[in-house]
Amino acid sequence: SQQGEEDPQALSIQEGENATMNCSYKTSINNLQWYRQNSGRGLVHLILIRSNEREKHSGRLRVTLDTSKKSSSLLITASRAADTASYFCATDDQAGTALIFGKGTTLSVSS
Amino acid sequence: GAVVSQHPSWVICKSGTSVKIECRSLDFQATTMFWYRQFPKQSLMLMATSNEGSKATYEQGVEKDKFLINHASLTLSTLTVTSAHPEDSSFYICSARDWDRGDEQYFGPGTRLTVT
Repeated sequence: SQQGEEDPQALSIQEGENATMNCSYKTSINNLQWYRQNSGRGLVHLILIRSNEREKHSGRLRVTLDTSKKSSSLLITASRAADTASYFCATDDQAGTALIFGKGTTLSVSS
Repeated sequence: GAVVSQHPSWVICKSGTSVKIECRSLDFQATTMFWYRQFPKQSLMLMATSNEGSKATYEQGVEKDKFLINHASLTLSTLTVTSAHPEDSSFYICSARDWDRGDEQYFGPGTRLTVT
């Protein structure tokens, strides 16, 4: 089963622009994580935000979490061509062990 | 962070044969590992939760007799795709949780299975 939906499904921007991706989920969570996946490759963990946190930063990444709306957003500032990838949000399953992934946003950054 | 490896990284097999994929936690003990499947341009779908020393827990719709999971040690889980068919061609990814390090899961690099 899938927990969340990402929005948009695909995003194309120019280098230097900011990219914003949104994720909605259905059930209560302990934390929410964002991952990046380059085409045909494994996952890279980007950031984890806990349910009692509202915002978190890591380098050019900014993640927000609104538990009342059951949504999160990932902002990538000053994007680079190397940011081209698929981005997924993931939350714990109801047992609190496995991760359930959203459908993902495919980001394309052109130079 | 912790490291999880998978072997092989890619495999091609003929329809009807079985394929075994290994997932190892290299620098921590993993009592629980997870297997995901990802079809092209789609997200990761959880297949099963692998528990060391006990039977795996399969997600709804995943055939346990077709996807055999064995978690015989604290550092190794295997997924065997039995009687593989072309529709089993997919990217299989394992992950493990190091409970001592908190909430993060560590993912293997994935195994690309192609069934001809």
